[in-house]
Amino acid sequence: GNSVTQMEGPVTLSEEAFLTINCTYTATGYPSLFWYVQYPGEGLQLLLKATKADDKGSNKGFEATYRKETTSFHLEKGSVQVSDSAVYFCALSDQGYSTLTFGKGTMLLVSP
Amino acid sequence: DTGVSQDPRHKITKRGQNVTFRCDPISEHNRLYWYRQTLGQGPEFLTYFQNEAQLEKSRLLSDRFSAERPKGSFSTLEIQRTEQGDSAMYLCASSSAHRGGYNEQFFGPGTRLTVL
Repeated sequence: GNSVTQMEGPVTLSEEAFLTINCTYTATGYPSLFWYVQYPGEGLQLLLKATKADDKGSNKGFEATYRKETTSFHLEKGSVQVSDSAVYFCALSDQGYSTLTFGKGTMLLVSP
Repeated sequence: DTGVSQDPRHKITKRGQNVTFRCDPISEHNRLYWYRQTLGQGPEFLTYFQNEAQLEKSRLLSDRFSAERPKGSFSTLEIQRTEQGDSAMYLCASSSAHRGGYNEQFFGPGTRLTVL
């Protein structure tokens, strides 16, 4: 079956530091890949997505590249802000299906 | 867009009681999903509807759970004879073929259920 594995958190960084959150997946087909973010007290928000190999999704300074050869979709940001503190979820949707399979989430804490 | 809304936001109940949650999707979205999220875990799929038809149910959806979307707009999720293991955040999401595709789902704020 499908699965998503994320690095465990919390990830603690100082403002303006470089961020990487690792995500690898297992899927039977050719999935679409997503990063969702959940700010404290709020619902999940789609951050970015990529639908095929070598696609790069980007939004709000965050980027992730769909790497089929390594089955990975790592999230990166060059300079984090305190307002980026949240829980980040990697997810996939298998081709032909619309249900999402999520990782366990990675909490990011950014200090001033 | 007014976004996906869920009601109530919090529910505390005693074991054995029945509870019902409501989800109102984004108005033009014809697909509606229910997920469950427990502490420290990612959301897990429960079921989804296309219009009023329930197209898929997870094995996580025991016989005590039932979901409906009678007119293809809002949906309800009922849990009968609640157990402490049902304590979780219940998330609703919706999507449309016309905006990013069906697998780009928009989530509501969730209903947090606590079973005492």
